[in-house]
Amino acid sequence: ELKVEQNPLFLSMQEGKNYTIYCNYSTTSDRLYWYRQDPGKSLESLFVLLSNGAVKQEGRLMASLDTKARLSTLHITAAVHDLSATYFCAGLNNNAGNMLTFGGGTRLMVKP
Amino acid sequence: GAGVSQSPSNKVTEKGKDVELRCDPISGHTALYWYRQSLGQGLEFLIYFQGNSAPDKSGLPSDRFSAERTGGSVSTLTIQRTQQEDSAVYLCASNNYRAKFFGPGTRLTVL
Repeated sequence: ELKVEQNPLFLSMQEGKNYTIYCNYSTTSDRLYWYRQDPGKSLESLFVLLSNGAVKQEGRLMASLDTKARLSTLHITAAVHDLSATYFCAGLNNNAGNMLTFGGGTRLMVKP
Repeated sequence: GAGVSQSPSNKVTEKGKDVELRCDPISGHTALYWYRQSLGQGLEFLIYFQGNSAPDKSGLPSDRFSAERTGGSVSTLTIQRTQQEDSAVYLCASNNYRAKFFGPGTRLTVL
């Protein structure tokens, strides 16, 4: 059974700072997804990481995947207030009918 | 729009009543999922439809929950005899090869 854990669960940071959100998963997962959720809104797809060593970047966010360590990271560079949201990672569970297993989410607050 | 749509956006019901939640996936997506998100919590998988295969119902929390997908497109999630612990946002998603696309959700409040 695939289990996904994120940390930290809550992150408060100042604008301009850098930080990393970690996503550990328990068994082999073919794909790793990152989503953003604003309060009262649905999930917005950010990145899909398909292979070991994959790195994707968009704006101030960069996601990477290390399948050997079963670890994905979401790195925030020079945070801005607009990045405040909850970020979820999710692993694809091939043994459970292509089901996504989500981490608990990281609530990010960037103070202006 | 070309995204996943859900209706209603908000539903308030009394304990013991039945509710139906609707999901229109993205056209052409064969996989459809229902999740729920309780206040301040992560996402909980409920049920998964893939094409004409039997649905994966392993996430349904009780036999009060059921879902159908007609014609391989629209899906309805039914909750019978609602309880207060059923209050949550119910999210539907459909996917292509690369990513899942989520609908805006239905916020269910059981009084």
